[in-house]
Amino acid sequence: LAKTTQPISMDSYEGQEVNITCSHNNIATNDYITWYQQFPSQGPRFIIQGYKTKVTNEVASLFIPADRKSSTLSLPRVSLSDTAVYYCLVGPPPNSGYSTLTFGKGTMLLVSP
Amino acid sequence: DAGVIQSPRHEVTEMGQEVTLRCKPISGHDYLFWYRQTMMRGLELLIYFNNNVPIDDSGMPEDRFSAKMPNASFSTLKIQPSEPRDSAVYFCASSLEGFVGGETDTQYFGPGTRLTVL
Repeated sequence: LAKTTQPISMDSYEGQEVNITCSHNNIATNDYITWYQQFPSQGPRFIIQGYKTKVTNEVASLFIPADRKSSTLSLPRVSLSDTAVYYCLVGPPPNSGYSTLTFGKGTMLLVSP
Repeated sequence: DAGVIQSPRHEVTEMGQEVTLRCKPISGHDYLFWYRQTMMRGLELLIYFNNNVPIDDSGMPEDRFSAKMPNASFSTLKIQPSEPRDSAVYFCASSLEGFVGGETDTQYFGPGTRLTVL
């Protein structure tokens, strides 16, 4: 079971780029890396998923180095509405079951004016 | 689509009472998940279903917890008897598929049920 380690919290200001790094030293060959976002009083929401190198969508970018032991979620020009908890998840590999997919405690991002 | 629907949104009960949480997944989704979230433990997967069949309930904390999915559009999570340590936010989520070539299909979460057991 690949365990993830993220900072507990981060602070930023509007308009800045925010990079949240997640460590997953025991990632398995077939594991994917997925990030979710959770606003207060809401359920988590999918942001981005990747396997290696770089993935970009309309919301964020995900950078994954060659050894895949870490990943970085990049949020360009954050706004106050990006204040949320961000979860890094690793796995599960095919046919292993969702029980290996754990959310952990995430990173609380606070964006200030 | 209205998204995943959960009821009630808030539940306050006394220790020893039975609690039933309800979930309606997104139509057409084959997977349904029940999670519990607390400050201490974060978001934990309790159980998940595929095509109404429970696949993995290893996250269910103890026998007081049970979950059912009688049809594709409805699931319940029951706690009997409830205890104060069960106080948490319970989320239901659904996804269209499980794994797509290794990728985990996007899970869509409901708004959650905030349970308080006094």
